Amino acid sequence: ELKVEQNPLFLSMQEGKNYTIYCNYSTTSDRLYWYRQDPGKSLESLFVLLSNGAVKQEGRLMASLDTKARLSTLHITAAVHDLSATYFCAAFSYRGSQGNLIFGKGTKLSVKP
Amino acid sequence: KAGVTQTPRYLIKTRGQQVTLSCSPISGHRSVSWYQQTPGQGLQFLFEYFSETQRNKGNFPGRFSGRQFSNSRSEMNVSTLELGDSALYLCASSFLSSGPYNEQFFGPGTRLTVL
Repeated sequence: ELKVEQNPLFLSMQEGKNYTIYCNYSTTSDRLYWYRQDPGKSLESLFVLLSNGAVKQEGRLMASLDTKARLSTLHITAAVHDLSATYFCAAFSYRGSQGNLIFGKGTKLSVKP
Repeated sequence: KAGVTQTPRYLIKTRGQQVTLSCSPISGHRSVSWYQQTPGQGLQFLFEYFSETQRNKGNFPGRFSGRQFSNSRSEMNVSTLELGDSALYLCASSFLSSGPYNEQFFGPGTRLTVL
């Protein structure tokens, strides 16, 4: 059974600093997603990583995938307050020909001035 | 293009009652998946419907059920509510059934409180 672990679960950063959120998954998965959730809001898709070595960047966020290590990272560069949110990673778990997303517990990021 | 809509947005029920939540997917999307989000268990997959058929189901008791209509709108029903059913229920739509390269778009959620 696929399990997804994120760390840290809580992250308090100062503006301008860099940090990385880690996402480990326990069995093979061919897709890894990153989502952002603001308080009381739904999930916003950030990145979809489909292959080993995939790297995607959007603004101050960069995500990468290492399928051999079963590890994805979300790197935050020069954090700003607007990045404060909870970030989830999710791996796709197959059940026969179907499947569903398995989510990590989320990393609550707080960026302080 | 309108996004995924869910109704109602907030709901308060008492133990033992039943509840029905609704989800309208993005126009043209035929797959609807439901997730439960709680502080303790996080985000958990409930079930997925595609073309009016349940394609996949998570590890939830039979009190949780769903259906999908010919216009792809989906409803989720929870019978005999328990306190632990208090959660944010999210639905997600996608063009195809859950397969490779098929991105899900999430709705705003229904916040259910069971008293």
